[in-house]
Amino acid sequence: AQSVAQPEDQVNVAEGNPLTVKCTYSVSGNPYLFWYVQYPNRGLQFLLKYITGDNLVKGSYGFEAEFNKSQTSFHLKKPSALVSDSALYFCAVRRHTGRRALTFGSGTRLQVQP
Amino acid sequence: EADIYQTPRYLVIGTGKKITLECSQTMGHDKMYWYQQDPGMELHLIHYSYGVNSTEKGDLSSESTVSRIRTEHFPLTLESARPSHTSQYLCASSLELEQFFGPGTRLTVL
Repeated sequence: AQSVAQPEDQVNVAEGNPLTVKCTYSVSGNPYLFWYVQYPNRGLQFLLKYITGDNLVKGSYGFEAEFNKSQTSFHLKKPSALVSDSALYFCAVRRHTGRRALTFGSGTRLQVQP
Repeated sequence: EADIYQTPRYLVIGTGKKITLECSQTMGHDKMYWYQQDPGMELHLIHYSYGVNSTEKGDLSSESTVSRIRTEHFPLTLESARPSHTSQYLCASSLELEQFFGPGTRLTVL
């Protein structure tokens, strides 16, 4: 079985400050890890993924995420938040073998205040 | 943006009606998925397909059914809608790792 935990329902940050959205996972074997963002009344948009190699992954809109195998974490980060970053963020995991569908976390709402 | 479409975007219907939610993609992806998204946010996989004539049930038990007769088309059907089916339904497709999502169908059953 595989699972994802996003421990924070909501994260509030002031514009210009760094942001972190937390994600931990559980999967047998090596994981593929993903971050998606959802704006109101829209589908999910892909931000970035970790496959293998460098633990720091850079993605769209200035976001990055760090894979930490010992802590089974894949936290999403951005050095300087924008008001337009306010949205729902989902972490997802998939095993390297077997079923190709993703297992999503419960989502974290990011609110960036001007 | 990815070329994956869902219709209708919004649907309000009465209990007992049969409905079909449409999903189509023009990217030639073999793999397609249906997720149900609770009002509170969480997504749950309800169906997936690895190709034509291949369908599997997902993690969340659902009374809906799906078919995959053509690569580009993956419709979801509810034979008799109930208020408990009220939710947002998201369709996705993938070639390899990255999944592309449609805009979703928000279903309300009265």
